[in-house]
Amino acid sequence: AQSVTQPDIHITVSEGASLELRCNYSYGATPYLFWYVQSPGQGLQLLLKYFSGDTLVQGIKGFEAEFKRSQSSFNLRKPSVHWSDAAEYFCAVVPSQTGANNLFFGTGTRLTVIP
Amino acid sequence: GAGVSQSPRYKVAKRGQDVALRCDPISGHVSLFWYQQALGQGPEFLTYFQNEAQLDKSGLPSDRFFAERPEGSVSTLKIQRTQQEDSAVYLCASSSQGAGAKNIQYFGAGTRLSVL
Repeated sequence: AQSVTQPDIHITVSEGASLELRCNYSYGATPYLFWYVQSPGQGLQLLLKYFSGDTLVQGIKGFEAEFKRSQSSFNLRKPSVHWSDAAEYFCAVVPSQTGANNLFFGTGTRLTVIP
Repeated sequence: GAGVSQSPRYKVAKRGQDVALRCDPISGHVSLFWYQQALGQGPEFLTYFQNEAQLDKSGLPSDRFFAERPEGSVSTLKIQRTQQEDSAVYLCASSSQGAGAKNIQYFGAGTRLSVL
């Protein structure tokens, strides 16, 4: 079945520590890949996206993500977390060959940052 | 406004009531999407408009859900005879292009619906 999996429901990191949030997808062909962040009471904000080309993509707020075809993964990273990064993070895909326009989301990872 | 605006931000309904949720997309955006986000879950697609045409409504969970975008800008999601399982955050997103998987979607803050 087609799916987007975020295996970590909740992650806690110390401010200044590095961060990696995992995302795996299960689609026949490589979909278009996205990471969104959702702060309480806010809409989803796009952090970065991958369509093709360089497998390491840079986003806003110092985030980056690496696409690994062999692992069907698109993990989000940040070298040094700030307290303001505490939020819910969603990995999402658009299947590239189905004609669909809508996003399919994972269940999200909630990030807590401790001082 | 500069972003996607949704109203009301919060809605409490008694079971069986009808509700209407409004979305004002970014001006000029062709595509408009509705998503439903249950507590602790990721958003799930409901329906998609390109201008005034509803091109995909495959995600609407029942015939109690109805969406429209009559003039190709503002959209309304209507839920008839609300049930407790309809309690969720309803998100609207718009994008500048028509059909295309690479189109970036910009989201509103959502409407939190609570059905008592």
